[in-house]
Amino acid sequence: EPEVTQTPSHQVTQMGQEVILRCVPISNHLYFYWYRQILGQKVEFLVSFYNNEISEKSEIFDDQFSVERPDGSNFTLKIRSTKLEDSAMYFCASSRDRNIYGYTFGSGTRLTVV
Amino acid sequence: GQQLNQSPQSMFIQEGEDVSMNCTSSSIFNTWLWYKQEPGEGPVLLIALYKAGELTSNGRLTAQFGITRKDSFLNISASIPSDVGIYFCAGRINSGGSNYKLTFGKGTLLTVNP
Repeated sequence: EPEVTQTPSHQVTQMGQEVILRCVPISNHLYFYWYRQILGQKVEFLVSFYNNEISEKSEIFDDQFSVERPDGSNFTLKIRSTKLEDSAMYFCASSRDRNIYGYTFGSGTRLTVV
Repeated sequence: GQQLNQSPQSMFIQEGEDVSMNCTSSSIFNTWLWYKQEPGEGPVLLIALYKAGELTSNGRLTAQFGITRKDSFLNISASIPSDVGIYFCAGRINSGGSNYKLTFGKGTLLTVNP
């Protein structure tokens, strides 16, 4: 079964450092997403990406965040200067079309900011 | 912003019992989804509902999209130990520029005693 792959599974970083979280979406999917889940809380939408541009973003996705599809397979989330409150699980997801058919989540990257 | 109220927050049941959980919202959603999340994993889609009033089954799981488009329920029949996990409802508006993001409930933690 096709899956969304995320690396690393766990990253620890110092406050103020830049981090890049990586995702390989399902190969024939065209819509890509990042969500985050603070420990014990609900999953929250960050951003969606289609046709090499951001199609929607939440109020959480401020200037410290950016996304990129640097090649035909990877989709990255960059946090420029991490804060303690950025500690969370970050989930990448992808879907085949805008009707969210096949909307699939990866296993997540646990980001710990110390 | 949109909020989904999911209940109950947690459930402790005996193997073989049926389970019911629901989500309500003050806003209309055009798509309702139910996900299951196990420790260290991303959400896995269980059932997707696309039309008001729709009743859909997936094995022992049954979900309904409320006629008002402001609620949905998930039933699990004859629960088994591997049903343990956190169940999330999620909704999508699909209008007004909000075509892509899913809004999640806070989850229902299900524990099944063998």
